[in-house]
Amino acid sequence: GPKVLQIPSHQIIDMGQMVTLNCDPVSNHLYFYWYKQILGQQMEFLVNFYNGKVMEKSKLFKDQFSVERPDGSYFTLKIQPTALEDSAVYFCASSLVQGEQYFGPGTRLTVL
Amino acid sequence: QQQVRQSPQSLTVWEGETAILNCSYEDSTFDYFPWYWQFPRESPALLIAIRPVSNKKEDGRFTIFFNKREKKLSLHITDSQPGDSATYFCAANQGGSAKLIFGEGTKLTVSS
Repeated sequence: GPKVLQIPSHQIIDMGQMVTLNCDPVSNHLYFYWYKQILGQQMEFLVNFYNGKVMEKSKLFKDQFSVERPDGSYFTLKIQPTALEDSAVYFCASSLVQGEQYFGPGTRLTVL
Repeated sequence: QQQVRQSPQSLTVWEGETAILNCSYEDSTFDYFPWYWQFPRESPALLIAIRPVSNKKEDGRFTIFFNKREKKLSLHITDSQPGDSATYFCAANQGGSAKLIFGEGTKLTVSS
């Protein structure tokens, strides 16, 4: 099936540092998403992005979070500054239409 | 408030049996219900999905039964195989929104 790639697979950083998580969505997809999954729990929606803009965001998408996809390159999630509670697996997803989302393998973020 | 609920939390069946995973939801405006399965340390993968215009969707050994009046759906896995052992997430999406709302998941173990 369609493949979403994420780089890196694992990132360890100190609290207060900035981190950028990268996503390479399916090539013809138009909608992009980030979800957060804490170990053993369900995935929770953070944000979705379409046509260069944030369309929806949840209360988990704090002011320290930002997303962008400059010139059709990676879809990125930036956290600046990071906090301990940001430790989680972050999944990127993409879709051609709303609803049918394909997920990447996730980036495990550890904030020390 | 948990908008999508799943039961049981974990389920063990013998190889060849039918596994039944349950899901219920709160919001009657939800109009798309995908099921994802997730193996440890892998990304969730779309398994099968249904829209409320149907009350049944079948794909091989996997069948979704949908009861719009009761706001319930279930995933039936016939002739369960050890390779079906995974965590299964029921999700919901409402028209006009791109985000998926996930349930807590059911961890299925198929014993041989």
